[in-house]
Amino acid sequence: DIVMTQTPLSSPVTLGQPASISCRSSQSLVHSDGNTYLSWLQQRPGQPPRLLIYELSKRFSGVPDRFSGSGAGTDFTLKISRVEAEDVGVYYCMQATQFPHTFGQGTKLEIK
Amino acid sequence: QVQLQQSGPGLVKPSQTLSLTCAISGDSVSSDSAAWNWFRQSPSRGLEWLGRTYYRSKWHNNYAELVKSRITVNPDTSRNQFSLQLNSVTPEDTAVYYCTRDGGTSYGFFDYWGQGTVITVSS
Repeated sequence: DIVMTQTPLSSPVTLGQPASISCRSSQSLVHSDGNTYLSWLQQRPGQPPRLLIYELSKRFSGVPDRFSGSGAGTDFTLKISRVEAEDVGVYYCMQATQFPHTFGQGTKLEIK
Repeated sequence: QVQLQQSGPGLVKPSQTLSLTCAISGDSVSSDSAAWNWFRQSPSRGLEWLGRTYYRSKWHNNYAELVKSRITVNPDTSRNQFSLQLNSVTPEDTAVYYCTRDGGTSYGFFDYWGQGTVITVSS
């Protein structure tokens, strides 16, 4: 199985400041069709995960444009340009290039 | 708007069978573009994909190797829902279980999630 490793595990951020979360995969996530199936999900306390970014950099419907995904091969980044209070929660990267889909361990975003 | 409503008992005894149902509204379990998945989440194991069912001219299933010998995911077209059965459970199967839709736009496009069901395996 592909192992997904996130850093940091906890990220205290000041409101209005940027935040960045890294994710590394144990092997390349480039699919045989040329696409990279790396997603980012947000989980607010007491809620199921919510899709933010799919296919490396595509924002899901309704996701604010302050969220962006980037990267290539085995190294990926989720950036929040200006953190808002509603962004508090745990963020997960997930690969869907290969079965089984696997997740990072999560990064907890909290406000300083 | 798609909604997924989970139901099932929250307490299961060791060695027995865990059974959950996910009722779909706003889409069809027989959709030829969506797939219907089960995940679980625990503090010790994190988020795990367990299995899925989907219809493309006929029914297909995929399961995680971790649970392959114990899991069944079945569609129920008459009730527009799908189910999870996990046999021979142990305390390691204690987790929050989620049903989800893969909307088919891309791989891993999990756009709708059930509310989650807390499952405790204990005697």
